[in-house]
Order: sequence, then structure tokens, then C-alpha cells
Amino acid sequence: QKEVEQNSGPLSVPEGAIASLNCTYSDRGSQSFFWYRQYSGKSPELIMSIYSNGDKEDGRFTAQLNKASQYVSLLIRDSQPSDSATYLCAVINSGAGSYQLTFGKGTKLSVIP
Amino acid sequence: DTGVSQNPRHKITKRGQNVTFRCDPISEHNRLYWYRQTLGQGPEFLTYFQNEAQLEKSRLLSDRFSAERPKGSFSTLEIQRTEQGDSAMYLCASSSKTSGSIFSYNEQFFGPGTRLTVL
Repeated sequence: QKEVEQNSGPLSVPEGAIASLNCTYSDRGSQSFFWYRQYSGKSPELIMSIYSNGDKEDGRFTAQLNKASQYVSLLIRDSQPSDSATYLCAVINSGAGSYQLTFGKGTKLSVIP
Repeated sequence: DTGVSQNPRHKITKRGQNVTFRCDPISEHNRLYWYRQTLGQGPEFLTYFQNEAQLEKSRLLSDRFSAERPKGSFSTLEIQRTEQGDSAMYLCASSSKTSGSIFSYNEQFFGPGTRLTVL
């Protein structure tokens, strides 16, 4: 059973602070890792993808991947109230011939003005 | 708007009725996926098409569910004899290979979803 685990939160941070979201996965063959943002009542929006160990930065977002520890994280710098949403971690093991995203349950982030 | 579109956006039906949803992927995306999401959960994979071929189907998917993508463009998802447990958001996503990483094919972009309520 492939599993993706996230703390459900809620995670509350003050405006301007760094929000740190964490995710672990069980399938050691996973090759592609994604962070989606989902506002209440809306569909998931892809915000970051990462495929190799290390950090990947895009604006205020930094994704970190450690395949040895089976760990993915998302850092949001200078958090804004508009960042308040549920953040979903997702992985794919396309090497197994599967292209389905396996999602965690999401972490709810609240940015307090 | 060149994103994924889904219709209808909302559907209310009575138990036992059949329902059909439509998904139009991003233009020229040859991969199309269906997921289902219930409250407090992440999306759950249902099925996947590459062009018109259905290549992967969740083992959890009931025989009451069927999906098609007849011409490799839009797709339909039909649920027969709906049950109250089918109430969920049904999400469609699409992807395509880009000039970037070989894994970019896996970057899936979601439509707005169809919210199904079974009474």
C-alpha cells in the first residue's frame, strides 16, 4: 500500500513568517514529487514539482527532497494571508508503469495577519 | 481560458440514477486522469488515458464506474446506479510532455471539478 503522510494541521503562522510543510512517502521507487495548493471548495493547483535530491526554489516557495529519508518539504517564505489553504503532497512512481498521483490528506495552513 | 474544463460543475441526483460527467483537457495534452475527492481527504486516483487508450484503472473502482475518451480529446465518466457513498468531488486532470525534465510528463493540471451529491 503506497502511502503519503502529512500532518493535518492546522498550521498557523504569522504574516511574514516562514511556513514549513512536511511530507513522507512509503514507496521508495517514487520518482516525481509535487506540492498542490487547494483553497476551500476549489480544485488542487500545482505549485511545485521536484525530481532530484536537494532544493528547488520558485519565488517564495522552496521544495526540498531527500530520497534516502523518503521526505519532501515545502517552505513558504514571507507568508501572506492569501497563502492560507490546504497543501497537498503527491508522488508518482512512473518507473513501475503507473502514472497515478498518490496524495496525502493535506496540511491546512492559516496565515494570521 | 486554456485550462482543463469540466461539466457540469454541480450535479444533484437521486440514489439509483445514472450520471455522466465530461472533461475537456488542456489543448494537445494527450494524457487525461480522473480522481475523486471526499471531504478531508486527498484526491484518489480512478483511471488514466493516454490518447484514447485507458491504460490504468484503480482496483478500488466499482464496476458501476466507466470512463471513455473516444477520440483522444474529451473524456466522459459515467456512474451507474448511484449510491450515497458516490457523493464527492470528481476531478479531471491532464498532462503532456514538455521540453523540460523527462518527468515533466507527470505534472498534472486539474480542472475545477464536478461536485456530485447523491440524495
